[in-house]
Amino acid sequence: ETGVTQTPRHLVMGMTNKKSLKCEQHLGHNAMYWYKQSAKKPLELMFVYSLEERVENNSVPSRFSPECPNSSHLFLHLHTLQPEDSALYLCASSLGTEPYNEQFFGPGTRLTVL
Amino acid sequence: AQKVTQAQTEISVVEKEDVTLDCVYETRDTTYYLFWYKQPPSGELVFLIRRNSFDEQNEISGRYSWNFQKSTSSFNFTITASQVVDSAVYFCALSEAIDGGATNKLIFGTGTLLAVQP
Repeated sequence: ETGVTQTPRHLVMGMTNKKSLKCEQHLGHNAMYWYKQSAKKPLELMFVYSLEERVENNSVPSRFSPECPNSSHLFLHLHTLQPEDSALYLCASSLGTEPYNEQFFGPGTRLTVL
Repeated sequence: AQKVTQAQTEISVVEKEDVTLDCVYETRDTTYYLFWYKQPPSGELVFLIRRNSFDEQNEISGRYSWNFQKSTSSFNFTITASQVVDSAVYFCALSEAIDGGATNKLIFGTGTLLAVQP
């Protein structure tokens, strides 16, 4: 595997379900990110982790809970979501969190909340 | 506040035409970084280029070229002799330092959907 991978690619869940999104990077990077991409809206940063420590929580509702057990893996735990949470969730990684570092993205998980 | 504007929502061209995607940004920082990403139908964003604020040289990479002008706060992207495989959504982004400068946050524009017809 190379680059940034995400599983599952598609997920349909009810509002009472609990599910998790997984991201793995094979680039030796130290920073990982979760973004939300909704229709007709710019990509929104949700969380930033640097060396497994969360450094930014962009006012995300508590029904989204991130976890970064090591610098290669990032999870997004979901519970009691709302239909408006339906979106493409993208994971990214970068060598460091400095502004000049380009971010490398995974293919995303297309989430539908019924 | 930092902001990136991509005024063109959708552009449709015929193969072999040249096309320019516009990007205008706002920032109070004197040092900043601009990026272009391509998002094909498969979903992942593909990094195309990074430009820092103190280097205004234009860049060319094959059929791609970028025109950075600080005076107009623009960072436009031109595809020469477009091909069907260029069809995608293209995002311009501005890097914003948070946390006292230690952490990078990308501010994205809303994207331009480019459709290249055969």
